[in-house]
Amino acid sequence: EDQVTQSPEALRLQEGESSSLNCSYTVSGLRGLFWYRQDPGKGPEFLFTLYSAGEEKEKERLKATLTKKESFLHITAPKPEDSATYLCAVLGVNSNSGYALNFGKGTSLLVTP
Amino acid sequence: GAGVSQSPRYKVAKRGQDVALRCDPISGHVSLFWYQQALGQGPEFLTYFQNEAQLDKSGLPSDRFFAERPEGSVSTLKIQRTQQEDSAVYLCASSSTLDSDTQYFGPGTRLTVL
Repeated sequence: EDQVTQSPEALRLQEGESSSLNCSYTVSGLRGLFWYRQDPGKGPEFLFTLYSAGEEKEKERLKATLTKKESFLHITAPKPEDSATYLCAVLGVNSNSGYALNFGKGTSLLVTP
Repeated sequence: GAGVSQSPRYKVAKRGQDVALRCDPISGHVSLFWYQQALGQGPEFLTYFQNEAQLDKSGLPSDRFFAERPEGSVSTLKIQRTQQEDSAVYLCASSSTLDSDTQYFGPGTRLTVL
């Protein structure tokens, strides 16, 4: 069964203090790994898709990387507006995992001035 | 362009009432998904449509939950005889044929059952 585990559950950073969020996964054939950002009271906002080990994607202060077992979301010099919950999800090649995103519980990030 | 919209944004129901939640996907998106998100958890899959066909309803928690998409665009998630454990945020997502893997989410409907 597909499984996604995110750590830490919560992270508090000072503005400018870089860090990384982790997403460990087990899936029978990875079709894609996704990162979303979710602000309170809003739906998840798409950030990145990673398809194969070694792939990296960047957007402003965020960089996502992928290995065969985990993905990292690196946040460089974060700002208070980066505060949100970051969700990781996988799509597998088998059964409904081929179209139904399997999400982790998320990492709640707070960046203080 | 317009994103996925959902209505109502908030719904309070008394236990035993029926509710209907609406989703307007991004125009032209053939795939539509419903997810349920409990407080502090990630979204969990409920059901999937491709155009008007419901291809997977394996995530619906009970036969009190019913979803439809009769014309292949707007979708409605109906919950009959609501229970307190149905309280959650219900998220709708859609994806296009050009990039079928990327799902774009609406703002969700927060359902509270008293």
